[in-house]
Amino acid sequence: QVQLVQSGAEVKKPGASVKVSCKASGYTFTGYYMHWVRQAPGQGLEWMGWINPNSGGTNYAQKFQGWVTMTRDTSISTAYMELSRLRSDDTAVYYCARSAVAGTALAWFDPWGQGTLVTVSS
Amino acid sequence: DIQMTQSPSSLSASVGDRVTITCRASQGISNYLAWFQQKPGKAPKSLIYAASSLQSGVPSKFSGSGSGTDFTLTISSLQPEDFATYYCQQYNSYPFTFGQGTRLEIK
Repeated sequence: QVQLVQSGAEVKKPGASVKVSCKASGYTFTGYYMHWVRQAPGQGLEWMGWINPNSGGTNYAQKFQGWVTMTRDTSISTAYMELSRLRSDDTAVYYCARSAVAGTALAWFDPWGQGTLVTVSS
Repeated sequence: DIQMTQSPSSLSASVGDRVTITCRASQGISNYLAWFQQKPGKAPKSLIYAASSLQSGVPSKFSGSGSGTDFTLTISSLQPEDFATYYCQQYNSYPFTFGQGTRLEIK
């Protein structure tokens, strides 16, 4: 079955960077865009951007431009999201979520990874 | 950015009840709207896409309607496993945006 498995929880100091991985299985990795969404504790969902695993092309939400980098390794069907210059308000659960329709980012998300908690604290 | 506003923010209901959650977009999004269910400590789960299409494997007690700016999610015959937080999301244009969520609690 289609599955996204993310890396484990991270604790980082302010100013550091974090890189979260999302390993896909059960489908052709390069055929579906991958989105990243975050959720601060007790808060709602915030879309960060997507990566096209086929081309490596990206589209970041304006808020995250210059600050987030999404990459992929097609040899191991894994997408990555790196966030730099971390601040305490970046403490959140970060999710990868696959575009539900092949070949387009303009689709709903299904499935989602299990989430990775990133805690930023001095 | 398109703002998505859900109402109510929280809702108390009993097992067996039928409930409706509303989502309003700040501008027209055609039918590019999805609904998700999220339980505590879990990832969101897709319920409805294209405003009214049921995601595979989701029970028919969930239904969606609407187009343009006004949308609804209806859940019939509530069961204990349905008590969760529900989010709408537009995927008509970037940045994709979510409603603030509706927390459905047991009365």
